[in-house]
Amino acid sequence: EPEVTQTPSHQVTQMGQEVILRCVPISNHLYFYWYRQILGQKVEFLVSFYNNEISEKSEIFDDQFSVERPDGSNFTLKIRSTKLEDSAMYFCASKGTGNTGELFFGEGSRLTVL
Amino acid sequence: SQQGEEDPQALSIQEGENATMNCSYKTSINNLQWYRQNSGRGLVHLILIRSNEREKHSGRLRVTLDTSKKSSSLLITASRAADTASYFCATAAGSWAGNNRKLIWGLGTSLAVNP
Repeated sequence: EPEVTQTPSHQVTQMGQEVILRCVPISNHLYFYWYRQILGQKVEFLVSFYNNEISEKSEIFDDQFSVERPDGSNFTLKIRSTKLEDSAMYFCASKGTGNTGELFFGEGSRLTVL
Repeated sequence: SQQGEEDPQALSIQEGENATMNCSYKTSINNLQWYRQNSGRGLVHLILIRSNEREKHSGRLRVTLDTSKKSSSLLITASRAADTASYFCATAAGSWAGNNRKLIWGLGTSLAVNP
């Protein structure tokens, strides 16, 4: 069964460092998303991406964040200068073109900022 | 801003019993979805109910939606130990088709099914 894959599963970084989280969405999907989940808190929307551009972003997704689909298969989230409060589980999701509304999530990348 | 709020926050039942989780939200929606998350794992879509639907079934799952009360319930019948997980409702507003609407999530209900 097709699945969304994310790497790395866990990354530990120092505050101020750049981090790139990678995702390979399901191959025929066209809509891509990043969500995050701080431990014990709600899942929060970060950004949606369609047709090679950002469709919508939340207030969390400030200038320190960027997304890219560099090669038609990968979908990356970059945090330029990490802060302690960026520590969270980051989930990538993709959606097909049908009107089902169902998102397919990866297993997540746990980011720990020290 | 719209929110999904589930209750109870935690539920512990015996295998074979039914589990009911509720979700309330604040603004009008296009659809409401339920997801499951095993500890430390990704989110798995369970079922979607549209704003013009009142009830939907999928296997042992039954979802209801009351748009007048802005609430939904998820019923898991004949629960199994493998159903132990966190369950989240998520709401989508606006037109979905061709429109990349975000999902707004609740805090989730942590379900423990004891063998």
